[in-house]
Amino acid sequence: QVQLQQSGPGLVKPSQTLSLTCAISGDSVSSNIAAWNWIRQSPSRGLEWLGRTYYRSKWYNDYAVSVKSRININPDTSKNQVSLQLNSVTPEDTAVYYCASVGSGNTPTMDVWGQGTTVTVSS
Amino acid sequence: DIVITQSPDSLAVSLGERATINCKSSQSVLYRSNNKNYLAWYQQKPGQPPKLLIYWASTRESGVPDRFSGSGSGTDFTLTISSLQAEDVAVYYCQQYYSTPYTFGQGTKLEIK
Repeated sequence: QVQLQQSGPGLVKPSQTLSLTCAISGDSVSSNIAAWNWIRQSPSRGLEWLGRTYYRSKWYNDYAVSVKSRININPDTSKNQVSLQLNSVTPEDTAVYYCASVGSGNTPTMDVWGQGTTVTVSS
Repeated sequence: DIVITQSPDSLAVSLGERATINCKSSQSVLYRSNNKNYLAWYQQKPGQPPKLLIYWASTRESGVPDRFSGSGSGTDFTLTISSLQAEDVAVYYCQQYYSTPYTFGQGTKLEIK
């Protein structure tokens, strides 16, 4: 059974970088079936998909246009985890951030979710 | 981007009664090649991540009670709870996975009348 465990700071200063990790158990980050997604949720923006990384003989990334210039989602095969980096944050980036997998639970969409990390952007 | 709109925004239903939530996409999420609708429904309770209930518009995820059902095709979809239980109080979201960026509806808050 796949499980995702998130970690990272809950407070980030404006203009700095938000960094979160999602540790994967029960599957491999290098799976040729799964994809590893980051989503955030705020009262103003609702549920917003940020991007994903996946391996299909090589690594691919897709990012939402709204954050494309500021985001990196990277796999760490040595630790079997995925990281999210969001640069130049503003208070608008305050949200609950989730990682979620597609394909590792045998469904075609996001069926396994991390517990969520509340991130506040404030000085 | 595919825009997903749910209705109503909130809904109050008596225990044991039927609850119906609607979801409309700005373009069809039906892939003609496999005749599947790339539409999912989630349930979210306070302090928890969304929980997948239904995918392919009408396939229940393993372990989901059969009082939950999904229907619809193309651009119009419905989630029905046939007999509302107290534990069904939550916010419900529909989501398309036809294309990235994956997009969600704004949510429907379901309460007990």
